[in-house]
Amino acid sequence: GESVGLHLPTLSVQEGDNSIINCAYSNSASDYFIWYKQESGKGPQFIIDIRSNMDKRQGQRVTVLLNKTVKHLSLQIAATQPGDSAVYFCADPTRKNQGGKLIFGQGTELSVKP
Amino acid sequence: SQTIHQWPATLVQPVGSPLSLECTVEGTSNPNLYWYRQAAGRGLQLLFYSVGIGQISSEVPQNLSASRPQDRQFILSSKKLLLSDSGFYLCAWIDYNEQFFGPGTRLTVL
Repeated sequence: GESVGLHLPTLSVQEGDNSIINCAYSNSASDYFIWYKQESGKGPQFIIDIRSNMDKRQGQRVTVLLNKTVKHLSLQIAATQPGDSAVYFCADPTRKNQGGKLIFGQGTELSVKP
Repeated sequence: SQTIHQWPATLVQPVGSPLSLECTVEGTSNPNLYWYRQAAGRGLQLLFYSVGIGQISSEVPQNLSASRPQDRQFILSSKKLLLSDSGFYLCAWIDYNEQFFGPGTRLTVL
């Protein structure tokens, strides 16, 4: 069945470095993806989204890249800060025919070393 | 504005006891509502979703059940909790491509 997965369960970076978190998806019909940030003990928060008619989208210090050929997307965080430490999820909300189920990847825990 | 409320925020229950977690939504009507469980801060597992009053779909067989007695109310229940029911439970609302999550309930079963 369809799934959304992540390559690495944990990522440790030095403060000030750039972080790259990867995500693979299997549903070729997926046309919209969302990245969420979840801090310890809190619900996921929307970071940035991207539609399949785009290859790249930029936000404040974050960039999402989408490669539809290999069904891969990534979240890049520039100048990573301690406040960026959290678990990051990619999600595929394009299950419109099945009640719009939101499918999450396993999550990558980002740790920022001072 | 749209808001999701969940309560209680934390709960410690003995094995075999019943459970009732409540989720309410403000600022919308006829939302698609979801219950997720998260173990050890990772891997959001979809438990139930509902597209309307009285309409519940279960994603995985388990010890839990869900009900939607009102348009903006979604309840997660169990008659007898198991140790494996411990986790962080999140209610979510999805309106087309907008998703909102509640603050979560931390359940510890002892």
